[in-house]
Amino acid sequence: EDQVTQSPEALRLQEGESSSLNCSYTVSGLRGLFWYRQDPGKGPEFLFTLYSAGEEKEKERLKATLTKKESFLHITAPKPEDSATYLCAVQPLMNYGGSQGNLIFGKGTKLSVKP
Amino acid sequence: DGGITQSPKYLFRKEGQNVTLSCEQNLNHDAMYWYRQDPGQGLRLIYYSQIVNDFQKGDIAEGYSVSREKKESFPLTVTSAQKNPTAFYLCASRQTLTAIIYGYTFGSGTRLTVV
Repeated sequence: EDQVTQSPEALRLQEGESSSLNCSYTVSGLRGLFWYRQDPGKGPEFLFTLYSAGEEKEKERLKATLTKKESFLHITAPKPEDSATYLCAVQPLMNYGGSQGNLIFGKGTKLSVKP
Repeated sequence: DGGITQSPKYLFRKEGQNVTLSCEQNLNHDAMYWYRQDPGQGLRLIYYSQIVNDFQKGDIAEGYSVSREKKESFPLTVTSAQKNPTAFYLCASRQTLTAIIYGYTFGSGTRLTVV
């Protein structure tokens, strides 16, 4: 069964303390991996798409990387405004049971950055 | 600007009442989705539609109904058969008829509370 697991569930950092969030996936084959940021009471906001192992994308203090089994979201010198829940989702090569290309989401990592 | 609009932002339902959540997009996306988000459970798929006049049940469709009469619109009705409807509801859309794999674009959500 296709599955996406994010860890840790929650992460508390001090401002400036760099760290990484993990997204491990078990799928029949990967067509794409997506990272989203979600603020409380709002819809998820798109951050990155990664398509193949070895690919990296950067945006401000965030850097996403991809291997054949997992993706990391690295946060360098975080600020309090980086506090949010970060969601990972994968698009498998094949979807079973007629779901026809739906993304599979992890449960997210809730990041808190204290000043 | 193109986007996806959910309304209302907050909705209160009395016991035994049906309520409808609106979702409209002007992105010309083919596919639309409804998710339910509860604390600690991540995103759970309710219904999805790949094309106009066609939709499929997701993982938790019981007590919900949808229609897709126009490409731009995908309303969700929460019926009285849904026994625990209090949750945050997210609508999403996606361009699917392309060689490139895109992620979802999400609306800002509707918080439904039973009173």
